[in-house]
Amino acid sequence: DTGVSQNPRHKITKRGQNVTFRCDPISEHNRLYWYRQTLGQGPEFLTYFQNEAQLEKSRLLSDRFSAERPKGSFSTLEIQRTEQGDSAMYLCASSLGPEGPLSYEQYFGPGTRLTVT
Amino acid sequence: GQNIDQPTEMTATEGAIVQINCTYQTSGFNGLFWYQQHAGEAPTFLSYNVLDGLEEKGRFSSFLSRSKGYSYLLLKELQMKDSASYLCAVRSGGYQKVTFGTGTKLQVIP
Repeated sequence: DTGVSQNPRHKITKRGQNVTFRCDPISEHNRLYWYRQTLGQGPEFLTYFQNEAQLEKSRLLSDRFSAERPKGSFSTLEIQRTEQGDSAMYLCASSLGPEGPLSYEQYFGPGTRLTVT
Repeated sequence: GQNIDQPTEMTATEGAIVQINCTYQTSGFNGLFWYQQHAGEAPTFLSYNVLDGLEEKGRFSSFLSRSKGYSYLLLKELQMKDSASYLCAVRSGGYQKVTFGTGTKLQVIP
């Protein structure tokens, strides 16, 4: 399977615990995005990497959220001291750079569903 | 900031044509996407418009008018499997941030 993969697919945690999610993008894609989606809403942008550089971060992302892409390949999203409001689907997407007519198409992974109890 | 509006729900009959509208307000517009999302699944890419006009791809077409801040997705020969949410999303400026609308839930009925 050469698509975007995310692990785990589901995570249930107690309020106050830390969680970490992993995203493996399509191998030749240099851009990687994290989104959060709640029921009945569209995906909400969290952050974006080009290679290993984090180039943009939503102001909605509190200090409890951090993302890394250390080698420009996979990425991790960590949420510290989780709150019930963090319960959502966390989606990862990847895309190619500016070359090519379809270079802006984002390919989404299946998501990690987080439930904070 | 950005504002994207699309109808919350629509119902259409199998075999018919449906048009899903999207209006947006943004600075530095740099492209508009349409994605399809089935319940419980990730969004999948349908179309990308950066210039005015109609882009056709099989049963799906997407139209853009940058001066009006308006786009629509046209679905022809509707099939039951087209029942899904359709997300309009706008890319702005030189950045890669893509802002999604809340989506239009389309129900196709026999």
